[in-house]
Amino acid sequence: SQQGEEDPQALSIQEGENATMNCSYKTSINNLQWYRQNSGRGLVHLILIRSNEREKHSGRLRVTLDTSKKSSSLLITASRAADTASYFCATVPNAGGTSYGKLTFGQGTILTVHP
Amino acid sequence: GEEVAQTPKHLVRGEGQKAKLYCAPIKGHSYVFWYQQVLKNEFKFLISFQNENVFDETGMPKERFSAKCLPNSPCSLEIQATKLEDSAVYFCASSQQGSPLTGELFFGEGSRLTVL
Repeated sequence: SQQGEEDPQALSIQEGENATMNCSYKTSINNLQWYRQNSGRGLVHLILIRSNEREKHSGRLRVTLDTSKKSSSLLITASRAADTASYFCATVPNAGGTSYGKLTFGQGTILTVHP
Repeated sequence: GEEVAQTPKHLVRGEGQKAKLYCAPIKGHSYVFWYQQVLKNEFKFLISFQNENVFDETGMPKERFSAKCLPNSPCSLEIQATKLEDSAVYFCASSQQGSPLTGELFFGEGSRLTVL
């Protein structure tokens, strides 16, 4: 089963609104990453947050991590139509050397931003 | 190159036929990963390489799937005797050698395999 569970599965908002997506995971992690996938394209890395970090910002993106609750959230502020995509959280577990790069993905949130 | 290049973009095979996909990682990246995406959501880890050595193959179906990363050649993922359930988009990703705390992967555009 997938390590990450994302919520909501789909989100539809108007341009200019904020979009919040949540991700929960099950095992102890080294870091958590968020990726975006435009329709028919590959994944694009957005942001990485380490297990000892609680919040991170990158442009209009804000990611939080709560390791006690094993959850993370991605906030996109002032959304644009171009933000329409699927967003995936991915975790790197604390499992020793072979965990490196073995990202385990959530099911994804489909975000639609209406102009 | 500056991006992960995957070929072909689309591949159609009859059930039982062989399928072979290729991936050229970003120049200078030591790690290569293959993921399978079914139905536009779930990404399943298949295998990873550190240069030409298998790093982690715990996701690979043993019987029909094989993969290689040979020096001076694109990496490849081969499926012998394809089945309908192999229909998916196969993504290759690469990563720089470095601290495990980094872990950012650079993905290709994927190869869509359709098994009829």
